[in-house]
Amino acid sequence: AQTVTQSQPEMSVQEAETVTLSCTYDTSESDYYLFWYKQPPSRQMILVIRQEAYKQQNATENRFSVNFQKAAKSFSLKISDSQLGDAAMYFCAYRSAESAGNNRKLIWGLGTSLAVNP
Amino acid sequence: ETGVTQSPTHLIKTRGQQVTLRCSSQSGHNTVSWYQQALGQGPQFIFQYYREEENGRGNFPPRFSGLQFPNYSSELNVNALELDDSALYLCASSPTGYEQYFGPGTRLTVT
Repeated sequence: AQTVTQSQPEMSVQEAETVTLSCTYDTSESDYYLFWYKQPPSRQMILVIRQEAYKQQNATENRFSVNFQKAAKSFSLKISDSQLGDAAMYFCAYRSAESAGNNRKLIWGLGTSLAVNP
Repeated sequence: ETGVTQSPTHLIKTRGQQVTLRCSSQSGHNTVSWYQQALGQGPQFIFQYYREEENGRGNFPPRFSGLQFPNYSSELNVNALELDDSALYLCASSPTGYEQYFGPGTRLTVT
């Protein structure tokens, strides 16, 4: 069974600086998707960035980028020029590329709570 | 905002009662998933519907059931509520089954 591990329960960063959140996963599959979601105090889960395992190029969305190391099964999120609005719980999630049954589900880490200090 | 809406926002139920939570998917999304998120935890997959058929289920007992309607809106029904059912319930819709877009959630408290 696949698992997702986020080893940093809490992180903090100064406004305008850069922070990296860690995520590792375990799978025997070769094709899958990885996601970072942000959950602010409003509770709504917001998709930040996604990475397809077959793509070697790391995904980037504005100030958010990932470092995807497939062999190491590592998927870290880098937030550049941190803003106060980035403060939230960040979840790493895995989804199999197989489309049958329970493979469709997202498997989640426990989250990292990010504080942004002014 | 994602365009996925959920109702109600909060509700309080008594142990043993039944509850129905509702979700309106984003336009064009034919897949909906439901997740339970306990306090301080990541979401846990309950089930997924595609074109009105359940096509995936997590480790939840049969008293958790669902429906998806022709307009792709969805319901989550929980019978015989238990205290451990207290959680945030998240609905997510998807156009492809891969990336999922979440609603704001329903906070259920069972007393």
